Amino acid sequence: KAGVTQTPRYLIKTRGQQVTLSCSPISGHRSVSWYQQTPGQGLQFLFEYFSETQRNKGNFPGRFSGRQFSNSRSEMNVSTLELGDSALYLCASSLAASSYEQYFGPGTRLTVT
Amino acid sequence: GDSVTQMEGPVTLSEEAFLTINCTYTATGYPSLFWYVQYPGEGLQLLLKATKADDKGSNKGFEATYRKETTSFHLEKGSVQVSDSAVYFCALSDLETSGGSYIPTFGRGTSLIVHP
Repeated sequence: KAGVTQTPRYLIKTRGQQVTLSCSPISGHRSVSWYQQTPGQGLQFLFEYFSETQRNKGNFPGRFSGRQFSNSRSEMNVSTLELGDSALYLCASSLAASSYEQYFGPGTRLTVT
Repeated sequence: GDSVTQMEGPVTLSEEAFLTINCTYTATGYPSLFWYVQYPGEGLQLLLKATKADDKGSNKGFEATYRKETTSFHLEKGSVQVSDSAVYFCALSDLETSGGSYIPTFGRGTSLIVHP
């Protein structure tokens, strides 16, 4: 069974631009969670989607948003990029909502210049 | 708010040495506790968990016991291998205060390097 895939793996953007990251969950998984990992703040929960609905949201500004499609694939968008948004963005999928049995993808490394 | 504190790394050991990675937490409620592992170039994966006091989670030779009195969840392994080299994350989720949702709070991670 294929694992969680994230595209692109690496991305360089300029301050003020916006970016969209994509995550394809394991087949059959309906929940997708997103995390931000930085050296300064560590690993932080962004939000979770289940059956196309956002279930939970972490403490991030409204510039961070996401959505989930009917095939469970998810995208997250960051608008008006700031230097501090440079991070590894991880996606994780699970069968059920709010499950600790999450399977993580390798991440997208975003660099904002 | 909730928080998790892990020992600073890297932890460097020789093969077959005993491993302890310390983890302590602060939570307003009664959280579930987890250890995740991130091997080089891969995503995180759940290593073990414990949901109540005195529970012992175990997997792949690793163990951790939920100690409510000391608010700790230290990770141990009796004999490490080179293949255990990875970054280890301690995490908690307080289902009571999050309305039954799994919203994890992670520690900063501890890098483990095992030499042959």
